[in-house]
Amino acid sequence: EPEVTQTPSHQVTQMGQEVILRCVPISNHLYFYWYRQILGQKVEFLVSFYNNEISEKSEIFDDQFSVERPDGSNFTLKIRSTKLEDSAMYFCASSEFQGIGGTQYFGPGTRLLVL
Amino acid sequence: AQSVSQHNHHVILSEAASLELGCNYSYGGTVNLFWYVQYPGQHLQLLLKYFSGDPLVKGIKGFEAEFIKSKFSFNLRKPSVQWSDTAEYFCAVIKASGNTGKLIFGQGTTLQVKP
Repeated sequence: EPEVTQTPSHQVTQMGQEVILRCVPISNHLYFYWYRQILGQKVEFLVSFYNNEISEKSEIFDDQFSVERPDGSNFTLKIRSTKLEDSAMYFCASSEFQGIGGTQYFGPGTRLLVL
Repeated sequence: AQSVSQHNHHVILSEAASLELGCNYSYGGTVNLFWYVQYPGQHLQLLLKYFSGDPLVKGIKGFEAEFIKSKFSFNLRKPSVQWSDTAEYFCAVIKASGNTGKLIFGQGTTLQVKP
């Protein structure tokens, strides 16, 4: 069964450093998402992406965040200058359809620790 | 703001006990509803979903959920749990308006099944 994959599984970085989290969505999916889960809290929506454009972003997704589909398979989340509060598990998801009628499939996550 | 509430944060059951996890959402329009499960050390997996039609939906591993529109609820049930059902369970909602694929999650319920 096709799966969403994410790399790295764990990342430790210093505050102020840039990180890039990578995702390979399911191959025939066109809609991509990032979510995060701070330890002990809810899974929170960050951004949805389609046709090389952001469809929606949350208030968390400020100017420090960006997403890109650099080639036909990868989908990346960049945090330009990490803060302590960015420490979380970051999940990538993809779906064949968007919104109502679409089922999102999640990757295993990247655990980011900012020191 | 739209929200999803899961009533039980931590549930402990013995094997063969019946399970019901509550989920309520606060949105009056058309929605799709999901239950995801996260087994220890693994990623979010789709357990079941409701899009339309029969409000009683069956998922994998013997789970089912009932959508009660008048109560804005989508409770998850299993008649007889197994030790392998130990996991975290998340209810999630997509609303029809806007249609950007933003999933809104509940805070999760940790289920511990004692052998």
